[in-house]
Amino acid sequence: LAKTTQPISMDSYEGQEVNITCSHNNIATNDYITWYQQFPSQGPRFIIQGYKTKVTNEVASLFIPADRKSSTLSLPRVSLSDTAVYYCLVGDINGNDMRFGAGTRLTVKP
Amino acid sequence: DGGITQSPKYLFRKEGQNVTLSCEQNLNHDAMYWYRQDPGQGLRLIYYSQIVNDFQKGDIAEGYSVSREKKESFPLTVTSAQKNPTAFYLCASSIDLIRRLGQETQYFGPGTRLLVL
Repeated sequence: LAKTTQPISMDSYEGQEVNITCSHNNIATNDYITWYQQFPSQGPRFIIQGYKTKVTNEVASLFIPADRKSSTLSLPRVSLSDTAVYYCLVGDINGNDMRFGAGTRLTVKP
Repeated sequence: DGGITQSPKYLFRKEGQNVTLSCEQNLNHDAMYWYRQDPGQGLRLIYYSQIVNDFQKGDIAEGYSVSREKKESFPLTVTSAQKNPTAFYLCASSIDLIRRLGQETQYFGPGTRLLVL
């Protein structure tokens, strides 16, 4: 199983760009990297997914270096409503073993 | 609307009682999952099912049971053997077409908070 390691918490201010890095040293060839956002007492919400290089959508960007042993979620110009826990997951080809870690608790301050 | 529903939102369990949490999806997804979340913790996998009439234990299956008689439904029973059931329970589903699409995204329900009286 590819385990993930993220910082426990991060603080930022409104309007700043936030980069959250996830380590997954034993990622397998067929694994994809997925990021979720979770607000209190709600289910996680899909943010972005990638395999290599860079992926961008309307919410975030995901940077994955060539060795794929880490990935960075980039949130541009965060607002107070981006305060949440962000999870990095790595999934194998069967999709059976995707595991959530403790996540990164992001606090955006005014 | 397509999505995943869980009921009830809050559930109270008495000592020695079995309780069942409902999870239904109309996304036509093959795979369904149950997770447990404790305060300040990440999600831990209880059980998952990749197809009807088949399911597998996750990391913390002891004290729980599931069934998958229909594609749309994946109920979780918290048995009296689970000594510390107070937690937030999340159900999820996914397309499970890894080999064809090369990726998998899980969609989550709103969760059920279980409390012990």
